Amino acid sequence: DTGVSQDPRHKITKRGQNVTFRCDPISEHNRLYWYRQTLGQGPEFLTYFQNEAQLEKSRLLSDRFSAERPKGSFSTLEIQRTEQGDSAMYLCASSWSLTSGGNEQYFGPGTRLTVT
Amino acid sequence: AQTVTQSQPEMSVQEAETVTLSCTYDTSENNYYLFWYKQPPSRQMILVIRQEAYKQQNATENRFSVNFQKAAKSFSLKISDSQLGDTAMYFCAFMTGSSNTGKLIFGQGTTLQVKP
Repeated sequence: DTGVSQDPRHKITKRGQNVTFRCDPISEHNRLYWYRQTLGQGPEFLTYFQNEAQLEKSRLLSDRFSAERPKGSFSTLEIQRTEQGDSAMYLCASSWSLTSGGNEQYFGPGTRLTVT
Repeated sequence: AQTVTQSQPEMSVQEAETVTLSCTYDTSENNYYLFWYKQPPSRQMILVIRQEAYKQQNATENRFSVNFQKAAKSFSLKISDSQLGDTAMYFCAFMTGSSNTGKLIFGQGTTLQVKP
């Protein structure tokens, strides 16, 4: 298995445009997470899926953000009407859900978004 | 709400020496998990070590070990025999054991530079 992949790796867009990012998790993982990381800071949780169900969304995820995971495989994160404050690294991670908890998350390389 | 604090923004160590990175956290829960993740420059985040709060024994992984002080809510990472490849940003992270969402709450990170 090649690990978690994300596409594109870099995206430059103009304010007001829509952007969509894709994440392909490790194939046997049923959980998928999205985080946002600004320069020099730790990642912040945005949302997560178990299979195709989106089970939790952070208050950071405004109405301009939407995420999907059709068929419980890859996921997309769309940002509508981008703002300069959306500039960040968007990280995807996947894991098994363990009944005992404490599941290790495997991270992708991230998509760096720059809004000009 | 849980919080994670890393009070050392930057640290440096000579190759082959030992360094300790600090982390404190705040929670009212008794069941949780703590992690250290490593993010090398321009590379994806990987798990270094994991600790279950109900285990008194400190976790170790080769040159990496933790000092888990549950009462003090402290979770430091010791790197022995530092290598150039240890140069990275290190994040301490908390995961609740109660809701089983599996989301991680990260600290602000510590940038570690290993000098030859």
